[in-house]
Amino acid sequence: EAQVTQNPRYLITVTGKKLTVTCSQNMNHEYMSWYRQDPGLGLRQIYYSMNVEVTDKGDVPEGYKVSRKEKRNFPLILESPSPNQTSLYFCASRPTGYNYGYTFGSGTRLTVV
Amino acid sequence: GDSVTQMEGPVTLSEEACLTINCTYTATGYPSLFWYVQYPGEGLQLLLKATKADDKGSNKGFEATYRKETTSFHLEKGSVQVSDSAVYFCALIRSNDYKLSFGAGTTVTVRA
Repeated sequence: EAQVTQNPRYLITVTGKKLTVTCSQNMNHEYMSWYRQDPGLGLRQIYYSMNVEVTDKGDVPEGYKVSRKEKRNFPLILESPSPNQTSLYFCASRPTGYNYGYTFGSGTRLTVV
Repeated sequence: GDSVTQMEGPVTLSEEACLTINCTYTATGYPSLFWYVQYPGEGLQLLLKATKADDKGSNKGFEATYRKETTSFHLEKGSVQVSDSAVYFCALIRSNDYKLSFGAGTTVTVRA
């Protein structure tokens, strides 16, 4: 089944403890992206990647890192999480060509205390 | 910059009622337009799309037509069911961009 898989689905952590949210897609898509969803603020792009080793900042990149060493994987790294990073995170991927929509993962609900 | 404006919710309807969610956009060029749906506790699913003017996207009884003259992409369904209760997002991608720009989302609740 074609899908984007995120792990974990739920995570509670403490301020300052480094964490990684994994994202993997099995559709051989070139583009991958991370979004966060917050009440009243909607969905905002954190980082995106156009292909292996090519990444760039989205609208809200502060406090996050990403890497794209393999085409299928696009992990999101929070080196020193803070409570304002408590959010619902989505990974998404799509093929080249802007008439394709993104396929989204099921989401990771992160709570930083 | 690009922007997508959706009608504010929440919207509450009875089963078999008609649903319309208005969406207008601002973008340069000819973006592709999408409607995504988020069911409670789940991720976003692509509902339908349209990639050029006058295209009509349709899926699961929902329809939306790409109107370049009014920069709109309104979502419609003639007879809603309880299972259509969800949050609906209008979105666009420009031809030279990688970002999916979303509207704020419209929460729809359908009562039996």
